[in-house]
Amino acid sequence: GAVVSQHPSWVICKSGTSVKIECRSLDFQATTMFWYRQFPKQSLMLMATSNEGSKATYEQGVEKDKFLINHASLTLSTLTVTSAHPEDSSFYICSASLSTQTAYNEQFFGPGTRLTVL
Amino acid sequence: ELKVEQNPLFLSMQEGKNYTIYCNYSTTSDRLYWYRQDPGKSLESLFVLLSNGAVKQEGRLMASLDTKARLSTLHITAAVHDLSATYFCAVDIWDDMRFGAGTRLTVKP
Repeated sequence: GAVVSQHPSWVICKSGTSVKIECRSLDFQATTMFWYRQFPKQSLMLMATSNEGSKATYEQGVEKDKFLINHASLTLSTLTVTSAHPEDSSFYICSASLSTQTAYNEQFFGPGTRLTVL
Repeated sequence: ELKVEQNPLFLSMQEGKNYTIYCNYSTTSDRLYWYRQDPGKSLESLFVLLSNGAVKQEGRLMASLDTKARLSTLHITAAVHDLSATYFCAVDIWDDMRFGAGTRLTVKP
C-alpha cells in the first residue's frame, strides 16, 4: 500500500511554455502533499506543502506565481511550472502524507518527473 | 532553522568492508528517516526511526538514532556492489522534512 504516482515521468518543453505535473496517491487519501525539487547531484529541496482545499505554503525563495500548486482532492495535487526556463530544468518529486493515529505522518514519495526546458 | 548534515558526502569502499555514514541535525526531533536513491530514480524508504535509542536493521544496513546527541548513523556491513547508491537522511519536524546533502556510495569489487 501507500503508492504515489506522478505523471508524466519526463517532459521536454520549449522555454516560455507551461508544464503541469500530476501527483496522485493511489491507495490512500493524503492529508498533505509535498513538492520537492532536486538538481543534479544535489539533495531534495522542499518547494511547497499543500493541503486539500487550501492554498499551498511555499518555502522561502520559491515563487508562488511561477510554481502553481492545486490540491483539488485528497488524492491529487498538481504542480504547474509557468513560463518555464532552462534554469527550471530539474527532477521534481512529490510526496503524500497519510493521516494516521500515530504520532507521525510518514511521507510516501512518487517516482519523480524529470523536466528539461530547452 | 533546522539543518541536517551528512558525512561523508562521497564514499568509495571495497566489497566486504564495513563503514558508517553519519547524520547530524540541529534541532530537537525524534523522527528521522533514511532513504536510498539510485541514479535517475526517486527515493526508496529504508528506515524510519522514531525514538531515542531506536535501532533497525535490514540486510547489510543498520540504522540508529541518538536524539540527545542529535545523531543518526547508517552502518554498512560487508558491503556489496548492489549497495552502490546515494543515501539521504531526513529529519521531520511538524511535517517539515529536511534532507541531508546525501552520501554517494560506490562499492568496488
